[in-house]
Amino acid sequence: NAGVMQNPRHLVRRRGQEARLRCSPMKGHSHVYWYRQLPEEGLKFMVYLQKENIIDESGMPKERFSAEFPKEGPSILRIQQVVRGDSAAYFCASSSGRGQRSYNEQFFGPGTRLTVL
Amino acid sequence: GQQVMQIPQYQHVQEGEDFTTYCNSSTTLSNIQWYKQRPGGHPVFLIQLVKSGEVKKQKRLTFQFGEAKKNSSLHITATQTTDVGTYFCAGLNSGGYQKVTFGTGTKLQVIP
Repeated sequence: NAGVMQNPRHLVRRRGQEARLRCSPMKGHSHVYWYRQLPEEGLKFMVYLQKENIIDESGMPKERFSAEFPKEGPSILRIQQVVRGDSAAYFCASSSGRGQRSYNEQFFGPGTRLTVL
Repeated sequence: GQQVMQIPQYQHVQEGEDFTTYCNSSTTLSNIQWYKQRPGGHPVFLIQLVKSGEVKKQKRLTFQFGEAKKNSSLHITATQTTDVGTYFCAGLNSGGYQKVTFGTGTKLQVIP
């Protein structure tokens, strides 16, 4: 059973370009979370999605950032017109969401390291 | 909004010494989870605590959930170099959907 897949693992973009980060959750998982981590810092929640729905995007900047989790295919985190401050590791995690009070263990992907030149 | 703080931010210990990290939430939690992130790696789930005052052990690791369900601790006995990494607590709130708020993390360095 494959774990959470993220690609690309490393992404280099120049200022002003677009960055597209992909996340395939574990098989059977319908809940996806995106986090940003700056070097030597903690995990900052960005967005929580279920299939075709954004449940909580309170951690995502209002401009330039968007996320989706379509019925078919991976979840996508898109950053438009990237700036140097967007350089970070972006982690995706998935959970089954079953038995809400007793589960919600999050399985993390290996992350995408974004570098903006 | 909910905040989850951890102390200390960094800890250097000699191999064989004990280590403890403390996690404090600004609000009452439903559950608390602990994760470990090795250098250059991704967070890996360690354990979840649900009940007030709960204590769980995993070999040399002891996890505790406070009576008021607002704080938690992770204690490692006789640290080894394999314990190196950053330990995050993550609090799940009580209302609506169970939003997970990660703590600030404690980075552990073990000196051989």
